[in-house]
Amino acid sequence: GAVVSQHPSWVICKSGTSVKIECRSLDFQATTMFWYRQFPKQSLMLMATSNEGSKATYEQGVEKDKFLINHASLTLSTLTVTSAHPEDSSFYICSALTDRSGTSPEMEQFFGPGTRLTVL
Amino acid sequence: GQNIDQPTEMTATEGAIVQINCTYQTSGFNGLFWYQQHAGEAPTFLSYNVLDGLEEKGRFSSFLSRSKGYSYLLLKELQMKDSASYLCASMDSNYQLIWGAGTKLIIKP
Repeated sequence: GAVVSQHPSWVICKSGTSVKIECRSLDFQATTMFWYRQFPKQSLMLMATSNEGSKATYEQGVEKDKFLINHASLTLSTLTVTSAHPEDSSFYICSALTDRSGTSPEMEQFFGPGTRLTVL
Repeated sequence: GQNIDQPTEMTATEGAIVQINCTYQTSGFNGLFWYQQHAGEAPTFLSYNVLDGLEEKGRFSSFLSRSKGYSYLLLKELQMKDSASYLCASMDSNYQLIWGAGTKLIIKP
């Protein structure tokens, strides 16, 4: 199946610093990528939908100035957590959506392995 | 509104069959996904259904009834490694996913 990579896989940073997380689709083009965060023992929470060449669509309650998303190409989206605080510590996961009408399954969503962020 | 429900936890025996149900209410319904997630890892895609009926893929099958807003994931010949959380998610016409809280499946020997 298709592969989505994330970098870094884990990061520890000091409060107030910014952290950039990269999400790449390695062998396919993804016009749509999603960014999620997940707290321990909880379900995935969608943060934003990222479309190549346009501004990301943020979910209610997600601060767009704090979580900057750039979908620079059909294979790369980045999430930058600005001025990180301990409450931002979480597991951040990206995914890429393929839309292949006429095939089975028509749509698949591939997840990156996730980035564990710890803010001290 | 948008809503999706699935049981919180289920227990099954190794070698048996288990069915995990999911009900949804989604405007502009555009398909239903099932994912498997082991603790501390990202989810992995299992299936996508947009038409009514059963899709079989090895030991896992997924069923959809659009008229009833209902789906299930069927796992056969359960193995210990199938112990995980199973997430269902419906997609709307804007490609937005609405996630269930996940069903924790516990497999006992």
